[in-house]
Amino acid sequence: NAGVMQNPRHLVRRRGQEARLRCSPMKGHSHVYWYRQLPEEGLKFMVYLQKENIIDESGMPKERFSAEFPKEGPSILRIQQVVRGDSAAYFCASSYLRRTGDPEAFFGQGTRLTVV
Amino acid sequence: GQNIDQPTEMTATEGAIVQINCTYQTSGFNGLFWYQQHAGEAPTFLSYNVLDGLEEKGRFSSFLSRSKGYSYLLLKELQMKDSASYLCAVIDTGGFKTIFGAGTRLFVKA
Repeated sequence: NAGVMQNPRHLVRRRGQEARLRCSPMKGHSHVYWYRQLPEEGLKFMVYLQKENIIDESGMPKERFSAEFPKEGPSILRIQQVVRGDSAAYFCASSYLRRTGDPEAFFGQGTRLTVV
Repeated sequence: GQNIDQPTEMTATEGAIVQINCTYQTSGFNGLFWYQQHAGEAPTFLSYNVLDGLEEKGRFSSFLSRSKGYSYLLLKELQMKDSASYLCAVIDTGGFKTIFGAGTRLFVKA
């Protein structure tokens, strides 16, 4: 899973600031998934993107959160006006092709966001 | 609704065998994963089942019964490094969304 690169690994933001989390998928992968993990909990699906398209954002909070995966460059998860409850680990995973039954086997190391 | 249940914690002895169970109720099913996650690290893929039966991979095996909404992960010859959280996850209908359980924390003692 070393091929999926997330940065930064740790991010500290004050309440009200913006947080930008980046994910570069493995080479050749055009499908990206973002998950959030609160302490002592499992991963919660947030959004699934292909290049320049949001396929499923049913797990994204309706406000303050947005995601993009441009034609060039990494996928970005953006959180505006952060609050303490946004403190979590955010993981990105990538896959080559999303066919039924293909697992997204590759996760990045995650970005740990702390809101103070 | 979507629900995946697994025990919160388990403890086992080095060299022993442990079985971690997972039951699921989801609106659709396109396969089930098991991941291992050490504290502070990314999940690592262990196994994938889409048909009923047992899949064996070295010290790890995973079983699936779709009619019962049930899976287990079997770890043999436990080692201290197996102490980690084990996440059960189901791919929902359409194959886009993976729903994760809260994970089972396994403690391996000497």
